[in-house]
Amino acid sequence: NAGVTQTPKFRVLKTGQSMTLLCAQDMNHEYMYWYRQDPGMGLRLIHYSVGEGTTAKGEVPDGYNVSRLKKQNFLLGLESAAPSQTSVYFCASSARANEQFFGPGTRLTVL
Amino acid sequence: SQQGEEDPQALSIQEGENATMNCSYKTSINNLQWYRQNSGRGLVHLILIRSNEREKHSGRLRVTLDTSKKSSSLLITASRAADTASYFCAVQDSNYQLIWGAGTKLIIKP
Repeated sequence: NAGVTQTPKFRVLKTGQSMTLLCAQDMNHEYMYWYRQDPGMGLRLIHYSVGEGTTAKGEVPDGYNVSRLKKQNFLLGLESAAPSQTSVYFCASSARANEQFFGPGTRLTVL
Repeated sequence: SQQGEEDPQALSIQEGENATMNCSYKTSINNLQWYRQNSGRGLVHLILIRSNEREKHSGRLRVTLDTSKKSSSLLITASRAADTASYFCAVQDSNYQLIWGAGTKLIIKP
């Protein structure tokens, strides 16, 4: 089992460009999450999903959109990247009340 | 806003010593979880303690929870160089979301 995988691992964007981050899990988890981690800080929840076809906003959703068309995939989109979105992005999945399993992260730089 | 707050922010000890990290939070919780993050990598779940539990053990890890004080502690006994990492507490709220602290950076000196 691969667990949680994220694509790409690194990306550099120019301000105003768009991109999509892909998260995939093979554990049949219902819940999936997108977080960002900035230096010296804990994780902040961007968006999450409690099942296929459903999404909800987290703590810092502005500037991001998500989709969960298939149970195993959770996509995070940046429509018009800004330097403030430079961060490390982590995807995670879980069975409802249990521990979360994390992907290796995507390091995004917006110039 | 971040709810879990770890203390200390950084901790440096000799290999073989015990390391204690504390976490405080503000509201009612379903459970409290501790995670480890090695530099530049994803987080790994260590232990989960439910709101009706007071203490839990897993190998060299011991976690306590005091819901009256809204605090938890993580004890790592007989530390090893491989324990060098950042440790995060996260509280699960009634919506099953995790709210994270800023972490404790632990350095084990050989």
